[in-house]
This record gives sequence, C-alpha cells and structure tokens, in this order.
Amino acid sequence: GAVVSQHPSWVICKSGTSVKIECRSLDFQATTMFWYRQFPKQSLMLMATSNEGSKATYEQGVEKDKFLINHASLTLSTLTVTSAHPEDSSFYICSAKPGGAFYEQYFGPGTRLTVT
Amino acid sequence: GIQVEQSPPDLILQEGANSTLRCNFSDSVNNLQWFHQNPWGQLINLFYIPSGTKQNGRLSATTVATERYSLLYISSSQTTDSGVYFCAVGFISGTYKYIFGTGTRLKVLA
Repeated sequence: GAVVSQHPSWVICKSGTSVKIECRSLDFQATTMFWYRQFPKQSLMLMATSNEGSKATYEQGVEKDKFLINHASLTLSTLTVTSAHPEDSSFYICSAKPGGAFYEQYFGPGTRLTVT
Repeated sequence: GIQVEQSPPDLILQEGANSTLRCNFSDSVNNLQWFHQNPWGQLINLFYIPSGTKQNGRLSATTVATERYSLLYISSSQTTDSGVYFCAVGFISGTYKYIFGTGTRLKVLA
C-alpha cells in the first residue's frame, strides 16, 4: 500500500523557537496533503489542506502566520510551527492522497511536539 | 460544515463479544474510511468504504450513503482490539476536505 512518512516522530523545543515537520509520500505523488492536530483523548482536527504549488487553505480558527504550510513538490509538504508556545504541544498528523475526491487517504505516523 | 458523530463514545466488552460501532454524517460525502488508532497514535486503515459492504477477517463494515451512516462490526473481540476507532469522511466544500468523527473508545477485557 501507499506509504506516508513524517519527520521527526517526536520533538521537544523551547518556547519561542520554530519547529518544522516534514510529510512525504514515499511511493506516490500527492496532489493534496492535509495537516491535523490531536490533543489527548480528542479527535483529529483538520488544520489545513495544501495543494502542490499553491497556498494552503486553513480551517477557521487556525492561525496562518503561526502554522506555515508549504507544499513544494508532489511528494513533500512541511508544517512549520513558528514562535511555539506550550499550548502548541500536540500530536500532528499529515495525510496525502494520490488523486481526486474518490481516492483513499493515507496517513503518516504522526509527530509529537512538546514545547517547554 | 458536515458533522460526523460516532456512537457509542465509550464501549467496554468482554473478550469474545461482538460489537457495532456507528458513524453518522450530516450531508453527502465522497469518501469514508474507518481507522483504529493504536496506543502510539498511528492510524491503522481498516476500511475504505464510501458505499457498500466489506469484510476483513473479524471486521466488517457497511456504509449506506443515501442514509448517511456507516457501521463497523467487530466479532469475537480480542484484547488487541482495544483502542480508539475513528471514521473519517471526505467531501467537497469549496476545496476537498477530510474530517474525522468524534471517535469510539473501545476496551476489551480478558
């Protein structure tokens, strides 16, 4: 099956610094990638949708300037958490799909971010 | 936007019991998947099932798209089935979106 990787799998950073998380589709080209955030004992919340070569579409309530998303190629999307604060500590998961609306979604293993 | 509700929110079973998990969605969708989230947070894809019925071992799923619900059946449950089960739906609202349901937390007792 299709594989999506994320790097790093976990990261600890100091408050005020920025952290970049990479999401790669390893064996298919992803026209669309998605970023989610999950707090303990909650569901996954969609943060933004990115299409290769265009600006990301952010969900209501998600700060565009804080969560920078770049979908530079058909196999790579990055999420940068800028000026991180302890409340940004969360589990971040990306997903990708190879085609249009009727394609299955493939998920990365997630990145656990802790801001101290 | 579309709302995706799962029931029950919590379920405790004895090993060997059967269970049915439900996913209701408030509008038409293009895609639907069921996932099991393991203790490390990874999402295990169980079924891609925008419509119809599928079976894989002790698990099966049915989606009735016209009535806006999907069911996940777990038969002869095992302790390793414990965890959180999510349904997720894809739909077009301006752009294509893919959102998760509220989840069902399952605990299977030995």
